[in-house]
Amino acid sequence: AQSVTQLGSHVSVSEGALVLLRCNYSSSVPPYLFWYVQYPNQGLQLLLKYTSAATLVKGINGFEAEFKKSETSFHLTKPSAHMSDAAEYFCAVSDSLDSNYQLIWGAGTKLIIKP
Amino acid sequence: DTGVSQDPRHKITKRGQNVTFRCDPISEHNRLYWYRQTLGQGPEFLTYFQNEAQLEKSRLLSDRFSAERPKGSFSTLEIQRTEQGDSAMYLCASSLRPSYGYTFGSGTRLTVV
Repeated sequence: AQSVTQLGSHVSVSEGALVLLRCNYSSSVPPYLFWYVQYPNQGLQLLLKYTSAATLVKGINGFEAEFKKSETSFHLTKPSAHMSDAAEYFCAVSDSLDSNYQLIWGAGTKLIIKP
Repeated sequence: DTGVSQDPRHKITKRGQNVTFRCDPISEHNRLYWYRQTLGQGPEFLTYFQNEAQLEKSRLLSDRFSAERPKGSFSTLEIQRTEQGDSAMYLCASSLRPSYGYTFGSGTRLTVV
């Protein structure tokens, strides 16, 4: 069975500092991997996705993530944090062979930006 | 493409009342999902449609919850005899291909008083 682990329910960084949000997954088949962002009282917005093409994926708002098969990781990074990045971030994995396209979700990481 | 629309955005209801939410997915998406999310938690799967067929329903979902997608387009989620524990954000998402992920609506915030 697939699973997703996000290390750290809260991550706090200073404005301008590097953002690193961790995601590890388990999957017995090639996965599709996603990062979503959620602002308060909003739905989830797709930040970026890995679908077996380039292992370094660039997304919106200056975020990127690298798929590392050997480490079963898909960590999200941004070189310089901005106050507007404060939100909750969810990692999700989909089994590329699953006809139902079900996403398995991590528990989320709340990103706090210190001025 | 106007995205996924959910209506209403907010609903306050008294305990014991019935409520119905609507979701309009992206028109060409044949897969539609309902999720529930409480504060500080990730999305919790409720049910899934492929076209008009309801193919999966969470075992955690009580029989007070029912969902329909009558013509394979919009979907409704009804909660009967609401309880305070039903207070949550109800999210709808649609998808066309697994590599696309899901497109979410803005959600319906339900408060049961």
